[in-house]
Amino acid sequence: NAGVTQTPKFQVLKTGQSMTLQCAQDMNHEYMSWYRQDPGMGLRLIHYSVGAGITDQGEVPNGYNVSRSTTEDFPLRLLSAAPSQTSVYFCASSQKPWQPQHFGDGTRLSIL
Amino acid sequence: DAKTTQPNSMESNEEEPVHLPCNHSTISGTDYIHWYRQLPSQGPEYVIHGLTSNVNNRMASLAIAEDRKSSTLILHRATLRDAAVYYCILDNAGGTSYGKLTFGQGTILTVHP
Repeated sequence: NAGVTQTPKFQVLKTGQSMTLQCAQDMNHEYMSWYRQDPGMGLRLIHYSVGAGITDQGEVPNGYNVSRSTTEDFPLRLLSAAPSQTSVYFCASSQKPWQPQHFGDGTRLSIL
Repeated sequence: DAKTTQPNSMESNEEEPVHLPCNHSTISGTDYIHWYRQLPSQGPEYVIHGLTSNVNNRMASLAIAEDRKSSTLILHRATLRDAAVYYCILDNAGGTSYGKLTFGQGTILTVHP
């Protein structure tokens, strides 16, 4: 089972560039979410989705967009990258919000 | 939102039991207690969760105090692979925050051979 797959694993951007972090799950989970983890810190929620076509903001949504056109995919878009967005990004999914969440291995993003 | 307090770090020897404490004195009646762990360079991994009763699974046991203001994650025989950061998280089932996990700094568990 692939579980939650995140691509790319590593990325370096220049300030002002845009990019999309990909997240796909093959478990038919309804609930998906994006977190960021800064060095030495816990994870913070960026955006989440309770199903296809439904998204909402988490704790730190500024500078990020999401969409959920299919159950499987939940891409995270950085509109205009800033050095403060240098972080490790994790995608997670679960069948229902209250059920155990499955995390991907993360995307390590550096913005120069 | 109810918060949790965990020790910054703990140490154990391999094959010994480990008791990881978590205080959550402001827990509400509908808050579930979740434990996740994060191995180096990996995403968090679900360990166990419970509401009021003690819970066991293949990875660990969760002991919940009668007043629910604290809980303890028990690893019965620590292995080197258990070295990780352990997060104790409250999730309000049915509330506006459910599914939106709030990760604190967690407890860094070091396991010595």
